[in-house]
Amino acid sequence: ETGVTQSPTHLIKTRGQQVTLRCSSQSGHNTVSWYQQALGQGPQFIFQYYREEENGRGNFPPRFSGLQFPNYSSELNVNALELDDSALYLCASSRESIYGYTFGSGTRLTVV
Amino acid sequence: GIQVEQSPPDLILQEGANSTLRCNFSDSVNNLQWFHQNPWGQLINLFYIPSGTKQNGRLSATTVATERYSLLYISSSQTTDSGVYFCAVKGVGTASKLTFGTGTRLQVTL
Repeated sequence: ETGVTQSPTHLIKTRGQQVTLRCSSQSGHNTVSWYQQALGQGPQFIFQYYREEENGRGNFPPRFSGLQFPNYSSELNVNALELDDSALYLCASSRESIYGYTFGSGTRLTVV
Repeated sequence: GIQVEQSPPDLILQEGANSTLRCNFSDSVNNLQWFHQNPWGQLINLFYIPSGTKQNGRLSATTVATERYSLLYISSSQTTDSGVYFCAVKGVGTASKLTFGTGTRLQVTL
């Protein structure tokens, strides 16, 4: 059973650019959620996808968007990057979202 | 939204000591997980424990849902236990969002 995998592991972007982060969910999981973790803080919920539909969104602007594919993998897209977007982005998957979540190792994004 | 508080915020232990971490939450939950975040950032799931007691080796956890708190016990601590421990909950009626506490930073010294 493979776990949650994220790519890339590290990324440096310039303010104003766009970025796409990718996540492969754990085998058998149909729910994927994304979190942003700033340095020294707990993860903050961005949004969740269940069977390719967004079913929950946190307090993030529309320039944060996502997709879930038929194989339940997912992308997080961030447009018009700002310096404050520098953070660790974590992907988590679950079976039906009523069970526990398994997290990936994260993508560390630096915006300069 | 649901509030999650963890205590203590920081903890320094000598190797071999025991510790108890606490998580208080403000509303009914249908999901509670304890995670250990390692120095590389990965959140490792320790327990899925919306109620009851579980044990896994030197770690155990208890959630008293009616009183809205959970405890994580670490016995005979090792230096590899160092890191940040997070409690995360999902409120009843919430389909998606896990709300994390602010974490307990544990340092185990020789």
